[in-house]
Amino acid sequence: SYELTQPPSVSVSPGQTARITCSGDALPKQYAYWFQQKSGQAPLLVIYKDSERPSGIPERFSGSSSGTTVTLTISGVQAEDEADYYCHSADSSDTYWVFGGGTKLTVL
Amino acid sequence: EVQLVESGGGLVQPGGSLRLSCAASGFTFSSYSMNWVRQAPGKGLEWVSYISSTSSTKYYADSVKGRFTISRDNAKNSLSLQMNSLRAEDTAVYYCARDNSDGMDVWGQGTTVTVSS
Repeated sequence: SYELTQPPSVSVSPGQTARITCSGDALPKQYAYWFQQKSGQAPLLVIYKDSERPSGIPERFSGSSSGTTVTLTISGVQAEDEADYYCHSADSSDTYWVFGGGTKLTVL
Repeated sequence: EVQLVESGGGLVQPGGSLRLSCAASGFTFSSYSMNWVRQAPGKGLEWVSYISSTSSTKYYADSVKGRFTISRDNAKNSLSLQMNSLRAEDTAVYYCARDNSDGMDVWGQGTTVTVSS
């Protein structure tokens, strides 16, 4: 079955830039989506179609894609950004969706 | 207000069945595809199933294929997940999520399913 691979954890100090990667063989052909999940809450879509930002999501959240890797970048990290982040995409047949294992962002 | 509210979770014995529901409000339910996503205790998100707006297309994760059935009633603005032959590993919070082709942009708060004897 198809898999998306994320680092388990990323740590940054407030004001720094956090980068969370997600790797998968079908990512050159399929869009990626990023979700933020804070403790005890439902997930929140923060990036769609690799690099688009939904309304209401702060500009410090951005996404990019290069080959089999997509990256979520949070510029000027704030304490409120501490959360788990998940990438999400489909396999090459577009019939099977997966989430990455999740990355815990810690703001030091 | 756009809202999704799940219900139907509970405690069930291994091998048993449960039917989850998701009530939609504040938007034209019949225009959107829908998904079920689950999260086991302390674990990550797992996509479970997808249904198109007209029910013509349905997809399932391998882990639930043949045991779970997704359905919807557009007249009642309702999404369902029939879960049969439940296993301990199906224990999770189950979320329904709206799919607007730009991603899963609206999520419910989830309903908890516990499979245990």
